[in-house]
Amino acid sequence: GAVVSQHPSWVICKSGTSVKIECRSLDFQATTMFWYRQFPKQSLMLMATSNEGSKATYEQGVEKDKFLINHASLTLSTLTVTSAHPEDSSFYICSAAPGLAAANEQFFGPGTRLTVL
Amino acid sequence: GDSVTQMEGPVTLSEEAFLTINCTYTATGYPSLFWYVQYPGEGLQLLLKATKADDKGSNKGFEATYRKETTSFHLEKGSVQVSDSAVYFCALTTPNFGNEKLTFGTGTRLTIIP
Repeated sequence: GAVVSQHPSWVICKSGTSVKIECRSLDFQATTMFWYRQFPKQSLMLMATSNEGSKATYEQGVEKDKFLINHASLTLSTLTVTSAHPEDSSFYICSAAPGLAAANEQFFGPGTRLTVL
Repeated sequence: GDSVTQMEGPVTLSEEAFLTINCTYTATGYPSLFWYVQYPGEGLQLLLKATKADDKGSNKGFEATYRKETTSFHLEKGSVQVSDSAVYFCALTTPNFGNEKLTFGTGTRLTIIP
């Protein structure tokens, strides 16, 4: 099946620094990529949707200047958490879709756990 | 807005026991319903889906029936195995002109004991 990887799988950083998380589709071209955030014992919350070569569409309440998303190629999207603070600590999950945003075609990465000290 | 409520875990069962994980939803329009599974260290994988009322999704011995009258999509398996230990997420999408988004429940951690 289609494989999506994320790197790093976990990261610890100091408050005020920026952290970049990569999401790669390994064996297919991802027209659309999604970024989710998951708090403990809560559901995955969609942060933004990105299409290759265009600006990401952010969900209401998500700060676009705080969470920078770049989808520069059909196999790579990055999420940069700028000036991270402890409240940004969370589990970040990406998914990739080979076509339009049909839900059953999303393939998920294993997630990245971010801890901000 | 759309929402999904699923039973809280963790759920611990013995091998070969019967499994039910409850899921109910609130949605505008006519949602499609999904169950995703996340094995340790891996990403979420689509387990099964149903796109209209009374449809039954099935895969790997798991089943779920789309019940519009009770707005439910409960996951069942007749005889669980240790390899079924994972976190299970119920989810839905509603039609939005090709811009459908997944709305997830909180997940239920299942542990099967030999």
